[in-house]
Amino acid sequence: SQQGEEDPQALSIQEGENATMNCSYKTSINNLQWYRQNSGRGLVHLILIRSNEREKHSGRLRVTLDTSKKSSSLLITASRAADTASYFCASISNFGNEKLTFGTGTRLTIIP
Amino acid sequence: KAGVTQTPRYLIKTRGQQVTLSCSPISGHRSVSWYQQTPGQGLQFLFEYFSETQRNKGNFPGRFSGRQFSNSRSEMNVSTLELGDSALYLCASSFSGSGGTDTQYFGPGTRLTVL
Repeated sequence: SQQGEEDPQALSIQEGENATMNCSYKTSINNLQWYRQNSGRGLVHLILIRSNEREKHSGRLRVTLDTSKKSSSLLITASRAADTASYFCASISNFGNEKLTFGTGTRLTIIP
Repeated sequence: KAGVTQTPRYLIKTRGQQVTLSCSPISGHRSVSWYQQTPGQGLQFLFEYFSETQRNKGNFPGRFSGRQFSNSRSEMNVSTLELGDSALYLCASSFSGSGGTDTQYFGPGTRLTVL
């Protein structure tokens, strides 16, 4: 079963606009990671945020983590057509379990 | 460094057959994990191998099995295929998989279609 739920399920925006995706999870986590997937291909790791961090930046990406609400958000600024993809959050719990538990994903479409 | 490679990339089988998928991790990585991705269930963890030992297992039937070799290459096997096994099978490698602090690097996947 999946731990994370992502919102929205699909998002279409104009190129240049910002895109925000949200992720909620159920159990205490060690860290939360975001991945991108292009058209049913492999996943590309974007960013990892640890449970004791609240915000992290990487290029045009900004991730926040609120452990009290068990939620995270991914912001992509100044979107480009190449950002069109599905985005997944994935978490690893605190229970000594190494597996990544993925969210349901957000399908992002950037309109040129 | 070469990335994670998976073979074959595409596979078509019929119900009742068995299939073996292969994954070669990034050089130096000792942890290999397998995931199944379907439109209905999304991405689900199958199992993780570290130093030739299965360290973690998801909620899949015993028809799904795997192994890891001394060079960290891994194979997964699905016996008695069912239509519902049609999926994209993804392999991911990391240096140690320790506590989830290592980034997992994914291969391109093997697209399995069961007819």
